[in-house]
Amino acid sequence: EDQVTQSPEALRLQEGESSSLNCSYTVSGLRGLFWYRQDPGKGPEFLFTLYSAGEEKEKERLKATLTKKESFLHITAPKPEDSATYLCAGRMDSSYKLIFGSGTRLLVRP
Amino acid sequence: GAGVSQSPSNKVTEKGKDVELRCDPISGHTALYWYRQSLGQGLEFLIYFQGNSAPDKSGLPSDRFSAERTGGSVSTLTIQRTQQEDSAVYLCASSLRRTGPYEQYFGPGTRLTVT
Repeated sequence: EDQVTQSPEALRLQEGESSSLNCSYTVSGLRGLFWYRQDPGKGPEFLFTLYSAGEEKEKERLKATLTKKESFLHITAPKPEDSATYLCAGRMDSSYKLIFGSGTRLLVRP
Repeated sequence: GAGVSQSPSNKVTEKGKDVELRCDPISGHTALYWYRQSLGQGLEFLIYFQGNSAPDKSGLPSDRFSAERTGGSVSTLTIQRTQQEDSAVYLCASSLRRTGPYEQYFGPGTRLTVT
């Protein structure tokens, strides 16, 4: 069964304390691994797409990486404004829908 | 440019009533998706439209749910005879074209509460 699992469910960091969020997937014929940020009461905001193992993408304090089994979202020196729920999703070869994980709720304290 | 818009932002309805939720995708995007996000749950795919092709309805949870897309643009998701378990945030997304890139851009959602 195609599945995306995120860990941890929740993460509390002090401002400046770097960490990583994990997304493991069992998606047949993966045709893209997507990261989104979701703030309370809002729709998910697109961050990154990764297509092949070894690929990396960066945006400000965020860096996403991909292996054959999992993806990591590294947050370097986070700020309180990085607090949000981070979602990852996989797209199968045979479908256009995204299979989402349940998300990691990140809280960065000043 | 303008993003995906959805209306209403909030909808409270009584059990058994029908509701219609509207989505206006990003101009020029040919693919449109509906997802549902229940409290504490991940996003659940409902339906996908691509141009004039037949929609992929494989995620619709029951025959009380239907959706249409008129003129390749605006879409309406209809839930008939609403039940309390239909309470959720309904999210619409659009993407540029069938052959990629595949990034889906989401609207703000409609929060549906069935009392």
